[in-house]
Amino acid sequence: EIVLTQSPDFQSVTPKEKVTITCRASQAIGASLHWYQQKPDQSPKLLIKYASQSFSGVPSRFSGSGSGTDFTLTINSLEVEDAATYYCHQTSGLPFTFGPGTKVDIK
Amino acid sequence: QVQLVQSGAEVKKPGASVKVSCKASGYTFTDHYMHWVRQAPGQGLEWMGWINPNTGGTTSAQKFQGRVTMTRDTSISTAYMDLSRLRSDDTAIYYCARKDHLDVWGQGTTVIVSS
Repeated sequence: EIVLTQSPDFQSVTPKEKVTITCRASQAIGASLHWYQQKPDQSPKLLIKYASQSFSGVPSRFSGSGSGTDFTLTINSLEVEDAATYYCHQTSGLPFTFGPGTKVDIK
Repeated sequence: QVQLVQSGAEVKKPGASVKVSCKASGYTFTDHYMHWVRQAPGQGLEWMGWINPNTGGTTSAQKFQGRVTMTRDTSISTAYMDLSRLRSDDTAIYYCARKDHLDVWGQGTTVIVSS
């Protein structure tokens, strides 16, 4: 099973600050890595697919990069509405797995 | 617009089974795999498996094998996830989501397992 680790677990950020969340896979997964945002009592929403491809309707301040084992989600100029938990997810090998999540809080 | 609408909340006793439905609209149901993901209270996301709506073929995570059955009814564009021999730690929100990269999610179905 491919294990995904995320860092940090939690981040408290002021609006307009840049946020960087990393996701590391236990083995190489190419670009089969996706990012989701989940707000309390809501379903997760896709932000970035296949490591760096923006998903339709997602604000341009969200971007992704990386390949192989190391991936990054960047939120440029954080907005209050971005307070949420962010998950990475790999679809390279079965079973598909998720990272444990990174909670982003607004200071 | 593409939409996945799931069935309502369920309360079950340990040992029972639950069947959750996921009705798709706004696209051709048989064109894309449907995945099932669950989230225990206060916890992260856990991938359970997928169904190919075109062929009915399924793949599930090993921890659920023997307990989960995924089916579909193409005539009504609906996927189903049946989980048997329920335990208290199966209490969770169950989601359906489309495509490997889970681009559209259902609203979730809360399943509570309690005696």
